[in-house]
Amino acid sequence: GAVVSQHPSWVICKSGTSVKIECRSLDFQATTMFWYRQFPKQSLMLMATSNEGSKATYEQGVEKDKFLINHASLTLSTLTVTSAHPEDSSFYICSARDQLNREAEKLFFGSGTQLSVL
Amino acid sequence: GEDVEQSLFLSVREGDSSVINCTYTDSSSTYLYWYKQEPGAGLQLLTYIFSNMDMKQDQRLTVLLNKKDKHLSLRIADTQTGDSAIYFCAEEGYSSASKIIFGSGTRLSIRP
Repeated sequence: GAVVSQHPSWVICKSGTSVKIECRSLDFQATTMFWYRQFPKQSLMLMATSNEGSKATYEQGVEKDKFLINHASLTLSTLTVTSAHPEDSSFYICSARDQLNREAEKLFFGSGTQLSVL
Repeated sequence: GEDVEQSLFLSVREGDSSVINCTYTDSSSTYLYWYKQEPGAGLQLLTYIFSNMDMKQDQRLTVLLNKKDKHLSLRIADTQTGDSAIYFCAEEGYSSASKIIFGSGTRLSIRP
């Protein structure tokens, strides 16, 4: 079945460095992908909606200069956490919808990326 | 804005039924979802219901929707230890790029 691949699954980095997370739709095209953040024992918070070929739409309170989103193709969106700090440590999850099928079950989630900033 | 609320914890005895409740505020919701998340993993879609339905059953899972009260529930029959996880309720309004709003998640634990 359709799969969303998210990479890496976990990353440890030093404070001040940048980290890139990739989200790929493997066998379907996705004009729209979503990036979520999840703190321990908390819910998923929508960070931004990634739109292929145009700028991402960020939710209120999310710094667009800190969380750079690029959606250059119909199968790939990237989230770059710039100048990461320990408070950015979190679980990041992407999701993508099969653009050819609007049905509810055609939204797929990646397996998530655990980011730890030292 | 849209809001989805759930209780944080539920403990049930193995073999009993689990009922997880959720309330939402967006009257334009079209789809309502139940996701399962196991530790350190992504989200697994368990089931969903379209807003014009009252009930949906899928094997051990039964979803009930009261659109008037904006209340959604998930019943898991014959709860097993493998059902231990966090269950998220989520709602989506209607548009070509609708975002999904998640509840806080209910942690289900199973007692022997």
